[in-house]
Amino acid sequence: NAGVMQNPRHLVRRRGQEARLRCSPMKGHSHVYWYRQLPEEGLKFMVYLQKENIIDESGMPKERFSAEFPKEGPSILRIQQVVRGDSAAYFCASSRGGDQPQHFGDGTRLSIL
Amino acid sequence: AQSVTQLGSHVSVSEGALVLLRCNYSSSVPPYLFWYVQYPNQGLQLLLKYTSAATLVKGINGFEAEFKKSETSFHLTKPSAHMSDAAEYFCAVTRNSGNTPLVFGKGTRLSVIA
Repeated sequence: NAGVMQNPRHLVRRRGQEARLRCSPMKGHSHVYWYRQLPEEGLKFMVYLQKENIIDESGMPKERFSAEFPKEGPSILRIQQVVRGDSAAYFCASSRGGDQPQHFGDGTRLSIL
Repeated sequence: AQSVTQLGSHVSVSEGALVLLRCNYSSSVPPYLFWYVQYPNQGLQLLLKYTSAATLVKGINGFEAEFKKSETSFHLTKPSAHMSDAAEYFCAVTRNSGNTPLVFGKGTRLSVIA
């Protein structure tokens, strides 16, 4: 019973490059959430998606960040023209919806040189 | 809007002692409340959740939490700490629907001393 799979686990980028973070939800889960964790901070919500739809992106920076969850394949969080401040751990969670809880992946730790 | 305050960024207990991690929430609607645990370099694992049923919620690994509406609290307890309980613990709240994003507290790091 595979959990939420995120890859890569660690990603290093230079300033100005693009970062792509992938998330495969648990089997049977159609709801995906992305969160960002800065050092010594809790997780902050970024975006909530269902298949092919963005439901809530109120936590997503207006520029450089985008997310998708296509009909086939994993959810992708894309950060263009990365800056030092983007260094963080990015977590994906999935759920079945309704009252079901969110299950988290192990995260992608993004480092910007 | 929902918010969560975790009192104490770091708690240290002796092995075998009571664990008490504090969480107070703010919500304009009946909340769903959660406790998650995070081990180093891993994701969050759900310990327990409150969804308006019994106010005393039992979770995994011997943890439990009590929802107290009058105190807007959802403190996490465990009668006897084990070395393996050392981790970061996060309290979270959402609206009365599981489909909404979680709002997390800043976390409490639990250390267990032998």
